This record gives sequence, structure tokens and C-alpha cells, in this order.
Amino acid sequence: DAKTTQPPSMDCAEGRAANLPCNHSTISGNEYVYWYRQIHSQGPQYIIHGLKNNETNEMASLIITEDRKSSTLILPHATLRDTAVYYCGRGSNYKLTFGKGTLLTVNP
Amino acid sequence: GAGVSQSPSNKVTEKGKDVELRCDPISGHTALYWYRQSLGQGLEFLIYFQGNSAPDKSGLPSDRFSAERTGGSVSTLTIQRTQQEDSAVYLCASSLRQGGSGNTIYFGEGSWLTVV
Repeated sequence: DAKTTQPPSMDCAEGRAANLPCNHSTISGNEYVYWYRQIHSQGPQYIIHGLKNNETNEMASLIITEDRKSSTLILPHATLRDTAVYYCGRGSNYKLTFGKGTLLTVNP
Repeated sequence: GAGVSQSPSNKVTEKGKDVELRCDPISGHTALYWYRQSLGQGLEFLIYFQGNSAPDKSGLPSDRFSAERTGGSVSTLTIQRTQQEDSAVYLCASSLRQGGSGNTIYFGEGSWLTVV
């Protein structure tokens, strides 16, 4: 989805917080922001989603800017197993469309 | 099973042959989706089912692609006269109700299709 943009790659040190940005400047009012990740050869794994408010679960936190034009996924203490491609997506009605993903590499 | 189940997990087929890919959604999920992921590419939406009907087929790349869902459960994605550019991972997903509106969509592990 050309309207959802992510950096192609990022690095993070093990134990540090990983902050993955996503730009969705044309998001409409009823579209949710979703994050998934995909570890090589596996299906995409749901992480978190939100509409307006910041969200936190056992995996991550999602920070959505007040104007909703961008968001940041935060992995508070990255581990080597968090190395994956992280997809930011937009969802409304029934459909999820995704950006091209960010390859996050967690280094020891 | 507890998750979305897809079969076969891997399929190698000759160009020009037809293939069928099967998806078993999570029990009770009314919405079902097919996505495609080509090598090094993102997730491309193909088709959405609500129950047995497909309100949105807009992502199917050509008329060689079709999908059906029976009994509000199992779905089959059929690719006729396969071409090499059809080589990709075909991902099925399901959600309890309409996904995207705050409902979570759960993905299967995918069917890896290679056309030689």
C-alpha cells in the first residue's frame, strides 16, 4: 500500500527499546492502525492495533500521534527473537492493507 | 486446530497446470481472507469472504484466479493455467467478524507455491 510507508530496515541492540515508525498521512477517521510481524518462513503474527489512543499489551506499545498521520511501535526490551519484518497496516470495514514492512535486526 | 490451517504447505507445479490451495479458518470465524506475498514483497490483498459470499474480489490478479468458500468454513483458492509469476506464498487469514474495524485478523502459515 503506497499510502503506508515504513523504513526498509532498522537495527537495535539487544535489551534496548526498538521504536519502529510508520507514516499513514492519508489515514481516514475510521481506519485502525495495525501492526504485524513476520519471522522468516512463518505467517504474519498479530502484535497490536489502535484507533486514536495509545495502546499497550504484553508484546508492545503503540503510540499514535494526535493527528493520526503516523504511529510508532515500541518493543520495550528487544531480544534476538524479535528479529523479523514488521508490517504496519490500516484497516477499515473488513480490509487490512499493509506497508512494505521494516526489517528489524536485533544485534547481540 | 487452534489456528488457521493451510494446505499444502509447499507445492511445486509445472507451468500451465491448475493448483488448488486450501484454507481452514479458526472455528467460528465468519470472515476469511486470502493474501499473496511474492518474494521480497509485502502482503497483497486478494479476496475477502463474509460467510460464503465474496463481497470483495478486487485483489484477484486475473481471471485465472478464483476462490470459493463452502459451509461458511473451508475455502479453496484455485489458480488455473499457472504461470511462473504466480510463484508466491499464499496466505489465508480469518477473523471473528469483519476484520480491520478493530477486529483482529489471524494468519495461517501460508502455502508456498513454486511454478517451474
